Amino acid sequence: KQEVTQIPAALSVPEGENLVLNCSFTDSAIYNLQWFRQDPGKGLTSLLLIQSSQREQTSGRLNASLDKSSGRSTLYIAASQPGDSATYLCEDNTGKLIFGQGTTLQVKP
Amino acid sequence: EPEVTQTPSHQVTQMGQEVILRCVPISNHLYFYWYRQILGQKVEFLVSFYNNEISEKSEIFDDQFSVERPDGSNFTLKIRSTKLEDSAMYFCASSALRGLYEQYFGPGTRLTVT
Repeated sequence: KQEVTQIPAALSVPEGENLVLNCSFTDSAIYNLQWFRQDPGKGLTSLLLIQSSQREQTSGRLNASLDKSSGRSTLYIAASQPGDSATYLCEDNTGKLIFGQGTTLQVKP
Repeated sequence: EPEVTQTPSHQVTQMGQEVILRCVPISNHLYFYWYRQILGQKVEFLVSFYNNEISEKSEIFDDQFSVERPDGSNFTLKIRSTKLEDSAMYFCASSALRGLYEQYFGPGTRLTVT
């Protein structure tokens, strides 16, 4: 049974810092993992879909990697800004459509 | 840019009543989904729909739930007899194909059961 875990649950950083968000999964039979952003009380905004054949995917200041062998995906945010403050979620897009519980990021000006 | 839309944004209903939540997926997408998020908890998959039938469903999606694509654009989630524990944010999503393409989510419907 797939389990998706995101650590830490919350993170607070000063503006301009580079940071890494982690997403771990127990079932390595994963083809695609999707990262989302959720603002309070709002829907989910797709950030990146990374396929296992790609290992990395980039969009602007965001870079996601996927390592099936270690059961881990990371979302790297470069030069963080206060507007990046949100909850970041990862989802196994392939199997049972399981979400992690999210990492709530606060970027302080 | 195409987007998934949902109506209503907020629905208040009494326990035992039936509710229908509506979604308009992105027009050229083939897979449609419903998820829910109870306040402070994870986003949970309910059901996926493809080619006019349910393709997958979770344990949460029991007999009180049903989905339908009544016409070429709408996708609905019906809860037959609402319970207090059905109070949650319900998200609709769509994707071009299952597992190969991004899912796009709607803004959600907040369902409050009193």
